[in-house]
Amino acid sequence: GAGVSQSPSNKVTEKGKDVELRCDPISGHTALYWYRQSLGQGLEFLIYFQGNSAPDKSGLPSDRFSAERTGGSVSTLTIQRTQQEDSAVYLCASSLSSGGLNEQFFGPGTRLTVL
Amino acid sequence: QKEVEQDPGPLSVPEGAIVSLNCTYSNSAFQYFMWYRQYSRKGPELLMYTYSSGNKEDGRFTAQVDKSSKYISLFIRDSQPSDSATYLCAMSERDDKIIFGKGTRLHILP
Repeated sequence: GAGVSQSPSNKVTEKGKDVELRCDPISGHTALYWYRQSLGQGLEFLIYFQGNSAPDKSGLPSDRFSAERTGGSVSTLTIQRTQQEDSAVYLCASSLSSGGLNEQFFGPGTRLTVL
Repeated sequence: QKEVEQDPGPLSVPEGAIVSLNCTYSNSAFQYFMWYRQYSRKGPELLMYTYSSGNKEDGRFTAQVDKSSKYISLFIRDSQPSDSATYLCAMSERDDKIIFGKGTRLHILP
């Protein structure tokens, strides 16, 4: 079946511009996560959506970052006024979240380069 | 001190060798321990998981958890060039929010 998809796969933008990154989770998965991965920094948690609950935004690095999840499915991560330090691979993952160990299935990521 | 510490490598070993990858952690409430494998330009994929302490074996892979020492390991026997990837340890208190290590880059030399 279809896995988690993300678009675009690559994004190059100029400093100060806004960008939107999209994630399509696996159908039926109620939990959705955004991570950032940069060289030397590992996988950094950004935000977590679970069903209709308020999202866990504790990982967002600044108020320039926001995310929404419409209809419990597709999610968009928005970065406003991009800075060079925002350059990284942004990964999305989804899981069933039905108790016990919930395997997270990752998308291929969006590679963001801020010039 | 970070919650999860993992040596980023790179680690280079000859084909056929036994590989040992390790992580330490500080949060004694962690219950789920996982290893993810990430190939270049791909997302991480769950390789193995363990609940609480103990060992788990799957083919050439063995995961060990020592909660008393707050130390987890992944062993790869008879390593193959196809095992070359980044290995990330991960752990959680509950079944959702996972804390990842930085990942160790592994190169298996043919």
